[in-house]
Amino acid sequence: EVQLLESGGDLVQPGGSLRLSCAASGFTFSTYAMNWVRQAPGKGLEWVSTISASGGNTYYADSVKGRFTISRDNSKSTLYLQMNSLRADDTAVYYCAKKGRADNGGCYFDYWGQGTLVTVSS
Amino acid sequence: EIVMTQSPATLSVSPGERATLSCRASQSVSSNLAWYQLKPGQAPRLLIYGASTRASGIPARFSGSGSGTEFTLTISSLQSEDFAVYYCQQYNNWPLTFGGGTKVEIK
Repeated sequence: EVQLLESGGDLVQPGGSLRLSCAASGFTFSTYAMNWVRQAPGKGLEWVSTISASGGNTYYADSVKGRFTISRDNSKSTLYLQMNSLRADDTAVYYCAKKGRADNGGCYFDYWGQGTLVTVSS
Repeated sequence: EIVMTQSPATLSVSPGERATLSCRASQSVSSNLAWYQLKPGQAPRLLIYGASTRASGIPARFSGSGSGTEFTLTISSLQSEDFAVYYCQQYNNWPLTFGGGTKVEIK
């Protein structure tokens, strides 16, 4: 059974930093690209970032480019999101999501975690 | 950036009735379109990918259709567990983008 367990969400002041983690199990982690998707309170889903299976390629939404860094440790089956220079509009539930296919085809998300809440406020 | 527009924003349906949700892309996404179901406090659930392929374990009452810029998710006979918010997502181009969602509520 595929399981994705996010952690690291917290209350942080504007301008602060936070690192999210996502522990994966139930599939060959090193074979699949992984993603972060967020949902701000009362809003819809927003894709944040994607990292390739090897970690060699990364993609970011314009809203987080230059502030967030996605990474992975395939030996630990863990995905990370380093979030710097946090702003109030980064407040959201952050979901870890597995890419739905192992090849280079398009990126949809077949398994998601329960999410971790990040609140940016003074 | 491809803008995904979902309609209606809210759909009021009685249990057992049919629900039809629409998703429009600002430019062609071919068949690279997925649908998700979100319920409060739960992990999002993939329903459809490739515009019309049901994900593993998804009941046959869920069906997807369309290609290019116009897509539809149909729930043939709504069950109590189907009242939720539904999102479409295109994966034809970066950045990946979602529609604004359709809330399916009990009439």
